[in-house]
Amino acid sequence: EVQLLESGGGLVQPGGSLRLSCAVSGFTFRIFGMSWVRQAPGKGLEWVSAISGTGDDTFYADSVQGRFTISRDNSKNTLYLQMNSLRAEDTGIYYCARTPGVPAGMFYFDYWGQGNVVTVSS
Amino acid sequence: EIVLTQSPATLSLSPGQRATLSCRASESVDGFLAWYQQQPGRPPRLLMYDTSVRATGIPARFSGSGSGTDFTLTISSLEPEDSAIYYCQQRRYSPPAFGPGTKVDIK
Repeated sequence: EVQLLESGGGLVQPGGSLRLSCAVSGFTFRIFGMSWVRQAPGKGLEWVSAISGTGDDTFYADSVQGRFTISRDNSKNTLYLQMNSLRAEDTGIYYCARTPGVPAGMFYFDYWGQGNVVTVSS
Repeated sequence: EIVLTQSPATLSLSPGQRATLSCRASESVDGFLAWYQQQPGRPPRLLMYDTSVRATGIPARFSGSGSGTDFTLTISSLEPEDSAIYYCQQRRYSPPAFGPGTKVDIK
């Protein structure tokens, strides 16, 4: 059974940092791309970042480029999102998602975690 | 950037009825369109990808069609658990973009 479990969310002040983790099981982690997708309170879905199975290729939405860094540790079956210079508009639920099609830059999301809440507020 | 629009915004139907949800792209996405279901308080779930390929475990009452810029998700006979928001998403171009969603209410 495919499982994705996020952790690391919480309350942070504007300008602060937070690191999200996503531990996965049930599939061969290293051969799949992975993504982070977020959802602001009461709003729709926004793709944030993606990474290839090897970690060699990374992709970012313009809204987070230069502030967020996606990475992965294939020995630990874990995906990460380092979020710096956080803003109020980064508030939301952050989902990790398995992402076929990453090397080609053509992403869809076939398995999702339960989500982790990030709140940026003073 | 590709912009997706979905219609209607809300659909209110009874169990057993047929639901037809539309998604329109600002330019052709060459069939690379997916649909997701998000039930209240739950993460999204992939229903369909590349227009008409059902994801693992998705019931046959869900079907997808379309081409170019216009796509449709059909639920042939609504069940109470189909009450959810449905999002379309294009993967033809980066960044991958989602539509604003259609809320399906089961009366």
